[in-house]
Amino acid sequence: GENVEQHPSTLSVQEGDSAVIKCTYSDSASNYFPWYKQELGKRPQLIIDIRSNVGEKKDQRIAVTLNKTAKHFSLHITETQPEDSAVYFCAASTGGGNKLTFGTGTQLKVEL
Amino acid sequence: GAVVSQHPSRVICKSGTSVKIECRSLDFQATTMFWYRQFPKQSLMLMATSNEGSKATYEQGVEKDKFLINHASLTLSTLTVTSAHPEDSSFYICSAREGGAAKNIQYFGAGTRLSVL
Repeated sequence: GENVEQHPSTLSVQEGDSAVIKCTYSDSASNYFPWYKQELGKRPQLIIDIRSNVGEKKDQRIAVTLNKTAKHFSLHITETQPEDSAVYFCAASTGGGNKLTFGTGTQLKVEL
Repeated sequence: GAVVSQHPSRVICKSGTSVKIECRSLDFQATTMFWYRQFPKQSLMLMATSNEGSKATYEQGVEKDKFLINHASLTLSTLTVTSAHPEDSSFYICSAREGGAAKNIQYFGAGTRLSVL
């Protein structure tokens, strides 16, 4: 089955700096890659997603890039703010019911 | 965005009792819902895929007789933890897929924290 690896597990940045979180996946058939943000004790919230027919997608301060050949995708957050502090999960969908396989999560801390 | 409601948010029960958790899609129809389990500071582990009008598909290692799933309508799926034991204590989260397989966007409920004494 699909395996998704996510790095780093923790990331601390200064407010205003950029943050990058990277994920790799194993199944070349995966075609949908969402990113979720989860604050402590709350539900995961979809923040951005990308499909395999595009290489990059941007939404204000957030962008995602996808390299299908290398089977990796990354989340980029620019001009980080304290409210960006949360756990971020990447995921990949392999079809077959479209279930998502999640990465292990990255705890992002934005320091003042 | 689409709204998914999950109840209850917190359950404390005695060992041996059964607990039912509801997951509702409030403003869209969801032919497919998913149930996850999340341990503290860990990722979301898919337990089963719930399809409206048919049997759920369980992931390897998940006991279907332990975790009963019913998806009787396009807006409601339930997870029943039968004869709960302390090791079942966890954070259970559901999600509902908006749109068909081609769209495949999942929206999550707020989760249920189960504590079995």
